[in-house]
Amino acid sequence: DGGITQSPKYLFRKEGQNVTLSCEQNLNHDAMYWYRQDPGQGLRLIYYSQIVNDFQKGDIAEGYSVSREKKESFPLTVTSAQKNPTAFYLCASSPATSISEQYFGPGTRLTVT
Amino acid sequence: RKEVEQDPGPFNVPEGATVAFNCTYSNSASQSFFWYRQDCRKEPKLLMSVYSSGNEDGRFTAQLNRASQYISLLIRDSKLSDSATYLCALRAAGNKLTFGGGTRVLVKP
Repeated sequence: DGGITQSPKYLFRKEGQNVTLSCEQNLNHDAMYWYRQDPGQGLRLIYYSQIVNDFQKGDIAEGYSVSREKKESFPLTVTSAQKNPTAFYLCASSPATSISEQYFGPGTRLTVT
Repeated sequence: RKEVEQDPGPFNVPEGATVAFNCTYSNSASQSFFWYRQDCRKEPKLLMSVYSSGNEDGRFTAQLNRASQYISLLIRDSKLSDSATYLCALRAAGNKLTFGGGTRVLVKP
């Protein structure tokens, strides 16, 4: 069964702690993305990676870090420097072609108190 | 001006009626366009790509108007299950998508 998995579905953390969100895909897609969605808002791009061992900042990268050591995995770390980390985090992937659509994982809802 | 704008709604639609809404964009170099459907507290799911000539998938019709820089989505014979938020997305260059804020549609009996 091909797809994108994100875990956990819900995550609670105390302020000041770093937290890493998992994203795995078995679609053999080259490109992977992380978005953040706030209530009633659209998706904002945090980081993206078009190839293993390479990634680029999106529109709101401050306070986040990523790695892409394997094609199928693109974990996102929300650091303590992120001022408003509570949000719905969505991972997506797409084939490398420039006109391809993106497919999303089920998301992780992070609450920081 | 935002790069991609959508009327947030909600559009309250009687079951069986037709509803249409637009998504305007500011970057004339935008190349690819998509409509996604997002249910409450779920991930967006691709509804359809939008082609230059317009395209239809069952009750859903998507149009692209490059001159006025907008795409549209029309839903015919609305079903209760069509209630969702519809996000438009576009790609200008590279492999990045820019999303609109979404249009909420509520289909009522």
